[in-house]
Amino acid sequence: GGIITQTPKFLIGQEGQKLTLKCQQNFNHDTMYWYRQDSGKGLRLIYYSITENDLQKGDLSEGYDASREKKSSFSLTVTSAQKNEMAVFLCASRRQGGEVFFGKGTRLTVV
Amino acid sequence: GDSVTQTEGPVTVSESESLIINCTYSATSIAYPNLFWYVRYPGEGLQLLLKVITAGQKGSSRGFEATYNKETTSFHLQKASVQESDSAVYYCALGDDSGYNKLTFGKGTVLLVSP
Repeated sequence: GGIITQTPKFLIGQEGQKLTLKCQQNFNHDTMYWYRQDSGKGLRLIYYSITENDLQKGDLSEGYDASREKKSSFSLTVTSAQKNEMAVFLCASRRQGGEVFFGKGTRLTVV
Repeated sequence: GDSVTQTEGPVTVSESESLIINCTYSATSIAYPNLFWYVRYPGEGLQLLLKVITAGQKGSSRGFEATYNKETTSFHLQKASVQESDSAVYYCALGDDSGYNKLTFGKGTVLLVSP
């Protein structure tokens, strides 16, 4: 089996700061995703990538950049953290036609 | 847009009782939606519980089952007899038919099973 590793597990940032979240998968999956979960809300898609160097915007892409320089990794950058922002960011991956696997998440707090 | 609505939690049941968590969906931009139930156990990542990609079909896993009802746009999760180990957060999700499986999630339902 494989695993999706997200780093860091906890991220504390300051208002206006640029923050980067990283995700690595060893499934050799083609497609990777970033979702955001706010308290009391469902997960919302930020970005996804269908292959190395590909980026596709989701419903929530404003305020974020993403990068897929290698097939195994997919990073997400919060371009300017908003004060009092709190959310969990989930990375996921999937091979074509297969199941989506999720990482355990990065919990962001902005002070 | 597309959306998923599910039972608000927490839902508390006693061990060996039956369970139903309601899920209804609206798929305005998806011709042939796929439906999923995901689960997050304490300390674990989100994982697939069951999926159904064809209307009228039933999916089942670990004693849970759900039927894809296109007429009522529902995908309710049921289990005849829950166990304490079923305590978790359950998410209903709608997948698009683009081939990239972009998912739209409900808010999640916390299930607490008491011994």
